[in-house]
Amino acid sequence: AQSVTQLGSHVSVSEGALVLLRCNYSSSVPPYLFWYVQYPNQGLQLLLKYTSAATLVKGINGFEAEFKKSETSFHLTKPSAHMSDAAEYFCAVSGGSYIPTFGRGTSLIVHP
Amino acid sequence: ETGVTQSPTHLIKTRGQQVTLRCSSQSGHNTVSWYQQALGQGPQFIFQYYREEENGRGNFPPRFSGLQFPNYSSELNVNALELDDSALYLCASSKPGQGEHEQYFGPGTRLTVT
Repeated sequence: AQSVTQLGSHVSVSEGALVLLRCNYSSSVPPYLFWYVQYPNQGLQLLLKYTSAATLVKGINGFEAEFKKSETSFHLTKPSAHMSDAAEYFCAVSGGSYIPTFGRGTSLIVHP
Repeated sequence: ETGVTQSPTHLIKTRGQQVTLRCSSQSGHNTVSWYQQALGQGPQFIFQYYREEENGRGNFPPRFSGLQFPNYSSELNVNALELDDSALYLCASSKPGQGEHEQYFGPGTRLTVT
C-alpha cells in the first residue's frame, strides 16, 4: 500500500522568496518519488524524481527535493520564487507496481 | 520524438450518455495509464494497459472500460455518464524497465456532464 500527504493546499510566497512545498509518503516497499507541476488547463509535467540514487535530487526550473527516509518526506524547494512558478504541484509515490499514487496537490501562489 | 496526445480537448455530454476519449502514447512507449482528475484533486488511477491487456485497475466501476491497440494508442470509454464523471481525464504513457516508473502525461480531455 502507498499514500501521499501534501501539507497545505495553498502556499503563498513573494517573488524572490524561498519556496517550500511539503510531501510525506507511505510505502510498504522502497519508493520511487516524483514531483509534477500542472499549469492551468494543461497536463502534468515531471519536475524531478527520486529513484534510490542520490537523496538530494535536482530538477528543472531550479527546483530540488531531498529524500529523508527517517521522516518519510520528500519536500520540494526552490531558493527564489519566480512569477512563472505559480501553478499546482503534485507529489507522487510508486512502489512495486508502475502505478503512482498522487497527493491532492498544493497550489503555489507567487506575489510580486 | 512525439509526445502524448489526447483528443478531444473538451467535451460536453448529458447524463446517461456514453463517451470515448482517445490517447496516442509517446513514441516507443508500450504502456498507457488513464487518470481522472476532479476539480481541486490529484489524479486518480483508473486503469493501465500493457501490450493490449489491462494491467491494473483502480477503484472505478465497470462502466469505465478501455482498449489498447497494436500501435499502443488507447481509448477510455465511459457508459451511463453521471454528473460526478465531470473531470479532466489524463492519459500517461511509459515503458517499464526504462525511466524508473516515470510517466509522460498528455494535456488531458476536459469532460463536462450536464
